[in-house]
Amino acid sequence: DSGVTQTPKHLITATGQRVTLRCSPRSGDLSVYWYQQSLDQGLQFLIQYYNGEERAKGNILERFSAQQFPDLHSELNLSSLELGDSALYFCASSESGTLSYEQYFGPGTRLTVT
Amino acid sequence: DQQVKQNSPSLSVQEGRISILNCDYTNSMFDYFLWYKKYPAEGPTFLISISSIKDKNEDGRFTVFLNKSAKHLSLHIVPSQPGDSAVYFCAADPRGVSQGNLIFGKGTKLSVKP
Repeated sequence: DSGVTQTPKHLITATGQRVTLRCSPRSGDLSVYWYQQSLDQGLQFLIQYYNGEERAKGNILERFSAQQFPDLHSELNLSSLELGDSALYFCASSESGTLSYEQYFGPGTRLTVT
Repeated sequence: DQQVKQNSPSLSVQEGRISILNCDYTNSMFDYFLWYKKYPAEGPTFLISISSIKDKNEDGRFTVFLNKSAKHLSLHIVPSQPGDSAVYFCAADPRGVSQGNLIFGKGTKLSVKP
Protein backbone atom coordinates (compact mmCIF):
# COMPACT_ATOMS: atom_id res chain seq x y z
CA ASP A 1 0.00 0.00 0.00
CA SER A 2 1.56 3.26 -1.21
CA GLY A 3 -0.54 5.47 1.06
CA VAL A 4 -2.04 7.25 -1.95
CA THR A 5 -5.77 6.74 -2.33
CA GLN A 6 -7.87 7.28 -5.43
CA THR A 7 -11.63 7.24 -5.80
CA PRO A 8 -13.58 5.86 -7.47
CA LYS A 9 -11.82 2.66 -8.57
CA HIS A 10 -14.00 2.30 -11.63
CA LEU A 11 -16.16 4.76 -13.49
CA ILE A 12 -18.41 4.13 -16.47
CA THR A 13 -19.99 7.06 -18.20
CA ALA A 14 -21.28 8.21 -21.57
CA THR A 15 -19.74 10.46 -24.18
CA GLY A 16 -20.28 14.14 -23.54
CA GLN A 17 -20.46 13.72 -19.79
CA ARG A 18 -18.26 15.20 -17.07
CA VAL A 19 -16.52 13.27 -14.27
CA THR A 20 -14.32 14.07 -11.31
CA LEU A 21 -11.52 11.83 -10.10
CA ARG A 22 -10.21 12.26 -6.60
CA CYS A 23 -6.77 11.68 -5.11
CA SER A 24 -5.57 11.84 -1.53
CA PRO A 25 -1.77 11.99 -1.27
CA ARG A 26 0.39 10.29 1.33
CA SER A 27 0.45 12.07 4.65
CA GLY A 28 3.02 14.86 4.48
CA ASP A 29 3.35 14.89 0.70
CA LEU A 30 2.85 18.33 -0.80
CA SER A 31 2.98 17.44 -4.48
CA VAL A 32 0.42 15.58 -6.56
CA TYR A 33 0.86 14.34 -10.12
CA TRP A 34 -1.74 13.02 -12.53
CA TYR A 35 -0.93 10.48 -15.24
CA GLN A 36 -3.06 8.83 -17.93
CA GLN A 37 -2.45 5.32 -19.21
CA SER A 38 -4.39 4.57 -22.38
CA LEU A 39 -4.46 1.24 -24.16
CA ASP A 40 -1.03 0.48 -25.67
CA GLN A 41 0.44 3.63 -24.15
CA GLY A 42 2.81 4.22 -21.33
CA LEU A 43 1.89 6.54 -18.56
CA GLN A 44 1.49 10.05 -19.91
CA PHE A 45 2.11 12.91 -17.52
CA LEU A 46 -0.83 15.30 -17.35
CA ILE A 47 -0.25 17.86 -14.61
CA GLN A 48 1.52 18.47 -11.31
CA TYR A 49 0.48 20.53 -8.30
CA TYR A 50 2.66 21.54 -5.40
CA ASN A 51 1.09 22.87 -2.22
CA GLY A 52 -1.98 24.09 -4.04
CA GLU A 53 -0.28 25.65 -7.05
CA GLU A 54 0.20 24.27 -10.53
CA ARG A 55 3.86 23.45 -11.05
CA ALA A 56 4.13 21.61 -14.35
CA LYS A 57 1.85 20.78 -17.23
CA GLY A 58 2.16 17.90 -19.65
CA ASN A 59 -0.10 16.63 -22.41
CA ILE A 60 -3.31 17.64 -20.72
CA LEU A 61 -6.28 18.41 -22.96
CA GLU A 62 -8.17 21.68 -22.58
CA ARG A 63 -11.25 19.62 -21.64
CA PHE A 64 -9.36 18.41 -18.59
CA SER A 65 -8.57 20.46 -15.51
CA ALA A 66 -7.25 19.80 -12.05
CA GLN A 67 -6.85 21.49 -8.73
CA GLN A 68 -5.26 20.86 -5.37
CA PHE A 69 -7.18 21.89 -2.28
CA PRO A 70 -5.88 23.32 1.03
CA ASP A 71 -6.02 19.86 2.60
CA LEU A 72 -3.73 18.76 -0.31
CA HIS A 73 -6.15 16.36 -1.91
CA SER A 74 -6.52 16.81 -5.64
CA GLU A 75 -9.27 16.42 -8.18
CA LEU A 76 -8.99 15.82 -11.90
CA ASN A 77 -12.01 17.01 -13.86
CA LEU A 78 -12.68 15.53 -17.28
CA SER A 79 -15.43 17.11 -19.38
CA SER A 80 -17.07 16.57 -22.78
CA LEU A 81 -15.84 13.03 -22.56
CA GLU A 82 -14.92 11.14 -25.72
CA LEU A 83 -14.43 7.42 -26.30
CA GLY A 84 -10.68 8.01 -26.48
CA ASP A 85 -10.63 9.28 -22.91
CA SER A 86 -11.17 5.73 -21.68
CA ALA A 87 -8.03 4.97 -19.72
CA LEU A 88 -6.46 4.34 -16.35
CA TYR A 89 -5.82 7.56 -14.49
CA PHE A 90 -3.10 7.45 -11.86
CA CYS A 91 -2.34 9.93 -9.17
CA ALA A 92 1.08 10.04 -7.55
CA SER A 93 2.39 12.08 -4.66
CA SER A 94 5.76 13.15 -3.38
CA GLU A 95 7.10 15.19 -0.52
CA SER A 96 9.24 17.69 -2.35
CA GLY A 97 7.82 17.73 -5.85
CA THR A 98 11.26 17.65 -7.41
CA LEU A 99 12.75 14.22 -6.76
CA SER A 100 11.43 11.66 -9.22
CA TYR A 101 12.06 8.60 -7.13
CA GLU A 102 9.89 9.97 -4.40
CA GLN A 103 6.72 9.55 -6.45
CA TYR A 104 4.32 7.06 -4.90
CA PHE A 105 1.44 5.98 -7.07
CA GLY A 106 -2.14 5.25 -6.16
CA PRO A 107 -4.01 2.22 -7.53
CA GLY A 108 -5.65 4.23 -10.29
CA THR A 109 -9.16 4.98 -11.49
CA ARG A 110 -10.34 3.07 -14.54
CA LEU A 111 -12.55 5.29 -16.67
CA THR A 112 -14.70 3.74 -19.37
CA VAL A 113 -16.52 6.07 -21.75
CA THR A 114 -19.31 4.40 -23.74
CA ASP B 1 7.16 10.95 -30.86
CA GLN B 2 8.14 8.66 -28.03
CA GLN B 3 11.12 9.86 -26.05
CA VAL B 4 11.38 6.68 -23.98
CA LYS B 5 10.98 3.40 -25.81
CA GLN B 6 10.59 -0.13 -24.59
CA ASN B 7 10.53 -2.12 -27.78
CA SER B 8 9.68 -5.50 -26.26
CA PRO B 9 6.05 -5.63 -25.11
CA SER B 10 6.64 -8.93 -23.36
CA LEU B 11 9.37 -11.23 -22.10
CA SER B 12 9.17 -14.76 -20.76
CA VAL B 13 11.97 -16.35 -18.73
CA GLN B 14 12.44 -19.44 -16.61
CA GLU B 15 12.65 -19.16 -12.84
CA GLY B 16 16.26 -18.83 -11.69
CA ARG B 17 17.49 -17.40 -15.00
CA ILE B 18 18.35 -13.81 -15.80
CA SER B 19 15.71 -11.35 -17.02
CA ILE B 20 16.96 -8.45 -19.13
CA LEU B 21 14.58 -5.61 -19.87
CA ASN B 22 15.69 -2.94 -22.29
CA CYS B 23 14.90 0.73 -22.71
CA ASP B 24 16.06 3.37 -25.20
CA TYR B 25 15.71 7.11 -25.00
CA THR B 26 16.11 9.88 -27.53
CA ASN B 27 16.92 13.01 -25.54
CA SER B 28 20.52 13.36 -24.40
CA MET B 29 19.37 15.95 -21.86
CA PHE B 30 17.78 13.23 -19.73
CA ASP B 31 20.01 12.63 -16.73
CA TYR B 32 18.04 10.45 -14.35
CA PHE B 33 16.28 7.18 -15.09
CA LEU B 34 13.97 4.98 -13.10
CA TRP B 35 12.37 1.58 -13.32
CA TYR B 36 8.90 0.95 -11.97
CA LYS B 37 7.14 -2.37 -11.47
CA LYS B 38 3.39 -2.68 -11.81
CA TYR B 39 1.16 -5.54 -10.74
CA PRO B 40 -2.43 -5.78 -12.03
CA ALA B 41 -4.91 -3.54 -10.22
CA GLU B 42 -2.11 -1.65 -8.49
CA GLY B 43 -0.22 1.53 -9.23
CA PRO B 44 3.42 1.47 -10.36
CA THR B 45 6.00 0.97 -7.62
CA PHE B 46 9.47 2.47 -7.73
CA LEU B 47 12.10 -0.24 -8.16
CA ILE B 48 15.52 1.24 -8.88
CA SER B 49 17.06 4.33 -10.44
CA ILE B 50 20.30 5.54 -11.95
CA SER B 51 21.86 8.92 -12.47
CA SER B 52 23.67 9.74 -15.69
CA ILE B 53 26.93 10.15 -13.78
CA LYS B 54 26.93 6.40 -13.17
CA ASP B 55 26.83 3.45 -15.53
CA LYS B 56 25.58 0.87 -13.05
CA ASN B 57 23.43 0.73 -9.96
CA GLU B 58 22.71 -2.43 -8.02
CA ASP B 59 20.08 -3.26 -5.43
CA GLY B 60 19.87 -6.89 -4.44
CA ARG B 61 18.73 -8.96 -7.40
CA PHE B 62 18.14 -5.85 -9.50
CA THR B 63 20.84 -4.04 -11.48
CA VAL B 64 20.36 -1.18 -13.90
CA PHE B 65 22.98 -0.43 -16.53
CA LEU B 66 23.22 2.86 -18.41
CA ASN B 67 25.01 3.36 -21.71
CA LYS B 68 24.86 7.10 -22.36
CA SER B 69 26.55 7.01 -25.74
CA ALA B 70 23.94 4.54 -26.98
CA LYS B 71 21.11 6.23 -25.04
CA HIS B 72 20.23 2.81 -23.70
CA LEU B 73 19.52 1.35 -20.32
CA SER B 74 18.69 -2.12 -19.15
CA LEU B 75 17.34 -3.76 -16.04
CA HIS B 76 18.77 -7.13 -15.04
CA ILE B 77 16.98 -9.37 -12.59
CA VAL B 78 19.07 -12.25 -11.28
CA PRO B 79 17.81 -14.78 -10.36
CA SER B 80 14.31 -14.26 -11.66
CA GLN B 81 11.45 -15.38 -9.43
CA PRO B 82 7.77 -15.99 -10.24
CA GLY B 83 6.88 -13.01 -8.02
CA ASP B 84 8.79 -10.79 -10.43
CA SER B 85 6.06 -11.36 -13.02
CA ALA B 86 4.71 -7.86 -13.64
CA VAL B 87 4.83 -5.00 -16.11
CA TYR B 88 8.07 -3.05 -15.92
CA PHE B 89 8.15 0.60 -16.94
CA CYS B 90 11.26 2.54 -17.77
CA ALA B 91 11.03 6.28 -17.05
CA ALA B 92 13.20 9.33 -17.57
CA ASP B 93 13.29 12.45 -15.49
CA PRO B 94 13.89 15.38 -17.83
CA ARG B 95 15.31 17.62 -15.15
CA GLY B 96 16.74 19.91 -17.70
CA VAL B 97 13.26 20.62 -18.98
CA SER B 98 10.87 20.25 -16.09
CA GLN B 99 10.75 19.32 -12.47
CA GLY B 100 9.69 16.00 -11.13
CA ASN B 101 7.34 14.71 -13.78
CA LEU B 102 8.39 11.55 -15.51
CA ILE B 103 8.37 10.36 -19.10
CA PHE B 104 7.46 6.69 -19.25
CA GLY B 105 7.91 3.95 -21.82
CA LYS B 106 5.02 1.70 -22.74
CA GLY B 107 6.18 -1.10 -20.48
CA THR B 108 7.38 -4.68 -20.84
CA LYS B 109 5.33 -7.50 -19.40
CA LEU B 110 7.66 -10.01 -17.72
CA SER B 111 6.47 -13.55 -17.10
CA VAL B 112 8.68 -15.76 -14.96
CA LYS B 113 7.73 -19.40 -15.31
CA PRO B 114 8.33 -21.87 -12.46
